[in-house]
Amino acid sequence: SQTIHQWPATLVQPVGSPLSLECTVEGTSNPNLYWYRQAAGRGLQLLFYSVGIGQISSEVPQNLSASRPQDRQFILSSKKLLLSDSGFYLCAWSVRIFDTEAFFGQGTRLTVV
Amino acid sequence: GQQLNQSPQSMFIQEGEDVSMNCTSSSIFNTWLWYKQEPGEGPVLLIALYKAGELTSNGRLTAQFGITRKDSFLNISASIPSDVGIYFCAGQLGQGGKLIFGQGTELSVKP
Repeated sequence: SQTIHQWPATLVQPVGSPLSLECTVEGTSNPNLYWYRQAAGRGLQLLFYSVGIGQISSEVPQNLSASRPQDRQFILSSKKLLLSDSGFYLCAWSVRIFDTEAFFGQGTRLTVV
Repeated sequence: GQQLNQSPQSMFIQEGEDVSMNCTSSSIFNTWLWYKQEPGEGPVLLIALYKAGELTSNGRLTAQFGITRKDSFLNISASIPSDVGIYFCAGQLGQGGKLIFGQGTELSVKP
């Protein structure tokens, strides 16, 4: 069966520090991968998606970047965190691009202080 | 960009009560989805709706795709403590289109 792992679960980082969140999917090949951000009281906002290795599409201009170095690995990064980067970050995958059924990881709660 | 307005933002109910929440949009959607997110977890798909007027049930949950294709509602009957969580609606403009999420309804159930 397919599983998605996301880590760390929580992270407290100072302003200006770098960020690296990792997501891996097991049990499937060539998944479509997504990074979402969930701000308090807001819905999920799509940040990046990827249809294959090295292919990244950015949805909103921001201080973050994404990379897909391997088929089932998706990384969210920042060189210098801002206070406004705080939030709950979710990785997800689907069989087809923007499939109605997406499978989400457990999320990372990022607090920038 | 497109927005979904989900209401209410939060609900505090007694165990056994029925719950109703809805989403509206200024855009027409081809697909409506309802997800549940439990504390510290990612959202999980509850119900998917693909046709205007469609009424679909999943246990105690019932969701409907509005006739105008601009709204959807989710009902939970006879709530229990494990229904606690945040419920999100999501709409899809077309097949293979991006999902647009509502702001979520946070449900608290008092035993």
